[in-house]
Amino acid sequence: AQSVTQLDSQVPVFEEAPVELRCNYSSSVSVYLFWYVQYPNQGLQLLLKYLSGSTLVESINGFEAEFNKSQTSFHLRKPSVHISDTAEYFCAVSGDNAGNMLTFGGGTRLMVKP
Amino acid sequence: NAGVMQNPRHLVRRRGQEARLRCSPMKGHSHVYWYRQLPEEGLKFMVYLQKENIIDESGMPKERFSAEFPKEGPSILRIQQVVRGDSAAYFCASSPLAAGTGNEQFFGPGTRLTVL
Repeated sequence: AQSVTQLDSQVPVFEEAPVELRCNYSSSVSVYLFWYVQYPNQGLQLLLKYLSGSTLVESINGFEAEFNKSQTSFHLRKPSVHISDTAEYFCAVSGDNAGNMLTFGGGTRLMVKP
Repeated sequence: NAGVMQNPRHLVRRRGQEARLRCSPMKGHSHVYWYRQLPEEGLKFMVYLQKENIIDESGMPKERFSAEFPKEGPSILRIQQVVRGDSAAYFCASSPLAAGTGNEQFFGPGTRLTVL
């Protein structure tokens, strides 16, 4: 069985400040890790993913996440946030067997203030 | 290449009616997943289907809910005799499951079901 914990349900931050959204997981098998973003009343969009290789993965809009196997974490970071980053962010995990479903965390609402 | 399509986007039903939610996966994707997002919660897996087969329905409620993915046409999530607790956003995702994709799933815009 797998589980994902996002410790912070809401993270308020001022524009241009750095931010970290925390994600911890538990799994008995090797995993793939994902961050999805959901803007209001929209579906989920893949932000970035870790499959294998380098433990630091980056998105095209300045977010990055680091896979830490010993701490079973996959925290999401951005050095300088923008108002348009305001959204709900979901961390998710799937097993390394093709076809496994995604297990999501409860989500973190990032609120960027001017 | 069109993304995952879901319709309707919004659906209102009265208690006891049936709700039918449709999902057309991305072209070339033969694997479909349904998730439910209750208000203020994360997404919860419901069912995983391939063409004409239910592979994993461990997240489906035992009664009133069913899903299919026929050889032709979209995948359908059907909820019979809806109750207020069924009000949620239902998301469909599809995957090509090509080697090395890490089971990346592409999500549709969701159907928001409101039960009066």
